[in-house]
Amino acid sequence: AQTVTQSQPEMSVQEAETVTLSCTYDTSESDYYLFWYKQPPSRQMILVIRQEAYKQQNATENRFSVNFQKAAKSFSLKISDSQLGDAAMYFCAYRKGGANSKLTFGKGITLSVRP
Amino acid sequence: GAVVSQHPSWVICKSGTSVKIECRSLDFQATTMFWYRQFPKQSLMLMATSNEGSKATYEQGVEKDKFLINHASLTLSTLTVTSAHPEDSSFYICSATSAGVIEAFFGQGTRLTVV
Repeated sequence: AQTVTQSQPEMSVQEAETVTLSCTYDTSESDYYLFWYKQPPSRQMILVIRQEAYKQQNATENRFSVNFQKAAKSFSLKISDSQLGDAAMYFCAYRKGGANSKLTFGKGITLSVRP
Repeated sequence: GAVVSQHPSWVICKSGTSVKIECRSLDFQATTMFWYRQFPKQSLMLMATSNEGSKATYEQGVEKDKFLINHASLTLSTLTVTSAHPEDSSFYICSATSAGVIEAFFGQGTRLTVV
């Protein structure tokens, strides 16, 4: 079975600084996708970034980038120039390839941003 | 991204009554919808997967007679909590996806309080 591990329950970052959130996963599949979701206090799930396993290049979305280490099964999220609005819970998620497969979530990490 | 609307946003019901939560995909045909339950500061726990026109597939430990899921059309899935009890109080979230779509799109969630 696939598992997603986020071992840090909480992190804090100074506004304008950079923070990295860790995630590891376990799978025997070769075709899969990885995601980072943000859940602010409103509790609406927001997709931050996604990575296709077959792509070697790390995904980037503005201030958000990932470090995808396929052999190590590691998928960390880097947030640059942190803003107060980045404060939220962040979930790492995995789904295998194929139609309509389910997401497996990590436990999440609460990120706070200090002004 | 695509829009998924969940209704109601919050509901309070009396113990022993049933409550229905709707999940609608507004701008795409959702062949698959997922229902999650989330406790405060915790991750999303998948309850069931529903494919349009088929019976839902429930995760281990989820009572299918208590959490009735219907996915009768490509734009609507419903979760009915039958004979609700205070321990059913939680935050319920739906997500929707379709064949050929990599990501899942989430509804706003429903906060259920059983008194």
